[in-house]
Amino acid sequence: DSGVTQTPKHLITATGQRVTLRCSPRSGDLSVYWYQQSLDQGLQFLIQYYNGEERAKGNILERFSAQQFPDLHSELNLSSLELGDSALYFCASSGQGVAGNTIYFGEGSWLTVV
Amino acid sequence: DAKTTQPPSMDCAEGRAANLPCNHSTISGNEYVYWYRQIHSQGPQYIIHGLKNNETNEMASLIITEDRKSSTLILPHATLRDTAVYYCIVRVDISSGSARQLTFGSGTQLTVLP
Repeated sequence: DSGVTQTPKHLITATGQRVTLRCSPRSGDLSVYWYQQSLDQGLQFLIQYYNGEERAKGNILERFSAQQFPDLHSELNLSSLELGDSALYFCASSGQGVAGNTIYFGEGSWLTVV
Repeated sequence: DAKTTQPPSMDCAEGRAANLPCNHSTISGNEYVYWYRQIHSQGPQYIIHGLKNNETNEMASLIITEDRKSSTLILPHATLRDTAVYYCIVRVDISSGSARQLTFGSGTQLTVLP
């Protein structure tokens, strides 16, 4: 158990819909990262937040957005969903200082768009 | 972050040591070598990381060559549960700036055979 909690574990929704994935980082971790893993692609970095502020952005679509709240949990919002958005979405977190050198991943949220 | 090269797949007999190589010839002085693994569709799991010296923990050993251009992850007594994709990642040390995301490549599919 990495200490990173993601909900829901599985989600099935229709094209055009909007979903929200939630992540609770490890206790005390200020950085949260979101990754996408689809069947035909590897782990793709989407976005990083640090203490509530966006820190880095990767291959995140404009239809996707994220935020980190004062209690440090984070949400990834996916809208106007397409079949190709079906994937595993991972959240990860890391701490401050030297502890920030290690990133811990949650078990992921399976999204199926039908 | 420097690019890494890993063999796409390897087999290892159960109970034997698994030695997974990684080339990172363009690594910079402030970049760490990280190893993660992903057991089928689970969240990536941190294994070990190092800068210059060899490192060992309860999971594995990391051997980094003196010129730092390559490294080897050693699982001393591989079990069937070690079957996974192993990722070698180079990432800048957090003390050089804010924590940065991990960039995953294709990794090595390690299959431990009974």
